[in-house]
Amino acid sequence: QQQVKQSPQSLIVQKGGISIINCAYENTAFDYFPWYQQFPGKGPALLIAIRPDVSEKKEGRFTISFNKSAKQFSLHIMDSQPGDSATYFCAASTSNGGSQGNLIFGKGTKLSVKP
Amino acid sequence: KAGVTQTPRYLIKTRGQQVTLSCSPISGHRSVSWYQQTPGQGLQFLFEYFSETQRNKGNFPGRFSGRQFSNSRSEMNVSTLELGDSALYLCASSEKETQYFGPGTRLLVL
Repeated sequence: QQQVKQSPQSLIVQKGGISIINCAYENTAFDYFPWYQQFPGKGPALLIAIRPDVSEKKEGRFTISFNKSAKQFSLHIMDSQPGDSATYFCAASTSNGGSQGNLIFGKGTKLSVKP
Repeated sequence: KAGVTQTPRYLIKTRGQQVTLSCSPISGHRSVSWYQQTPGQGLQFLFEYFSETQRNKGNFPGRFSGRQFSNSRSEMNVSTLELGDSALYLCASSEKETQYFGPGTRLLVL
């Protein structure tokens, strides 16, 4: 049973446009929701993360919107650039002793930003 | 600080063999998690170790095991390899909530 569902699988956006990736989760015990960016040949790198007591968090061009009642969260990339072309993963986890070391990932979205 | 390092980076094994992968976390990080990444299943959580104790475990068969040493370095072992074990194995370390991933070990089982 997939606990975190991510869509779309792939996304093509023009340079300067907005990229939007959506995720839905099932387990209401999740209390930490990060987004990771992965380039080919590299491990995932944390972009931005949110906890359920906040509905939105912005860091530079990246914004997470969180809807606790709908059990959904999304990543918005403003002014998308060709350098943003990568695979993006949403994830969720439950607190355990202060760490979030048991991330459950979505299947990923391959973003391609056309110049 | 140096990042998470994983060795070896690439590995080729045959079915039935066993393999041990190594992970050195960022200095000061006591939590180490392991993930398997495949094109079909994506990123799947294997297990997490904290202070030499397994704290969380994903839904993988007992052929997958791990351990953590007193210096926080971790190893994972896969016994009786199957073709389906071919994957990128990622290690991540954390001090608090942010997990920092290594580059992974790419395992090919023939």
